[in-house]
Amino acid sequence: AQSVTQLGSHVSVSEGALVLLRCNYSSSVPPYLFWYVQYPNQGLQLLLKYTTGATLVKGINGFEAEFKKSETSFHLTKPSAHMSDAAEYFCAVSSSGAGSYQLTFGKGTKLSVIP
Amino acid sequence: DSGVTQTPKHLITATGQRVTLRCSPRSGDLSVYWYQQSLDQGLQFLIQYYNGEERAKGNILERFSAQQFPDLHSELNLSSLELGDSALYFCASSVGGTGTAYEQYFGPGTRLTVT
Repeated sequence: AQSVTQLGSHVSVSEGALVLLRCNYSSSVPPYLFWYVQYPNQGLQLLLKYTTGATLVKGINGFEAEFKKSETSFHLTKPSAHMSDAAEYFCAVSSSGAGSYQLTFGKGTKLSVIP
Repeated sequence: DSGVTQTPKHLITATGQRVTLRCSPRSGDLSVYWYQQSLDQGLQFLIQYYNGEERAKGNILERFSAQQFPDLHSELNLSSLELGDSALYFCASSVGGTGTAYEQYFGPGTRLTVT
C-alpha cells in the first residue's frame, strides 16, 4: 500500500519569497513521485516527476523537487514566487502493481501568493 | 492543453439517475485512468483500462462501471446516483500500462452535480 502526506493544506508566501511545499510518502516498493498543479476550474498539470536517477528534479515554471529516500520526502520548491503560482498543488506516488501505475494523491496544498 | 478531452464539462442530474462520462485519450495513448475528486475524499483512483482491457480497480463503487472501446476512448457509467456522487471526475491517459512509469496527462474533468 502507498500513501502521501502533504503538510499544510494552505500555504501563503509573499511575491518573490521562497516556495516550499512538503510531501512525505509511504511505499513498500521503489516509488515514482510526481507533483501536479491545479488551477481553478482546470485539470491537473504535471509539474515534475521522479522515476529513477538524479534525485534533484527540475520541472516547469521554475519548480524543482528533491527525492530523499532516507526521509521518504519529495518536497517542492521554487526560489521566487510569482502571482501566477497561486494554485493547488498535489503530490502523488505510483509504483508498479500488476502492471498499473495508478496515482495515489495527497490531499493537496493551496498556495496563495501575497503581492 | 493536455490533448485529453472529456465531455460533458458539466452535468446536473437527479438522484437515482444514470449518467455516462466520456473521455478521449491523447493520440497514441493506450491507457486510460479515471479519478474522482471530491471535497471530503480528495483525489481518488477509480479504474484503469489498457488497450481495451481492465487493468486495475481502485475505490470504485459497484454502481459505477467503465469500458474502453476499440478506438481507445473510454466511458464511465454512474448509476443509481446519490448526492454523495457529486464530484469532479477526471480522465487521464498515458502511453502504456507497464514497463516504466509513464506520465499521466489529465483532461479538464467533468463536474457532476446530483440534486
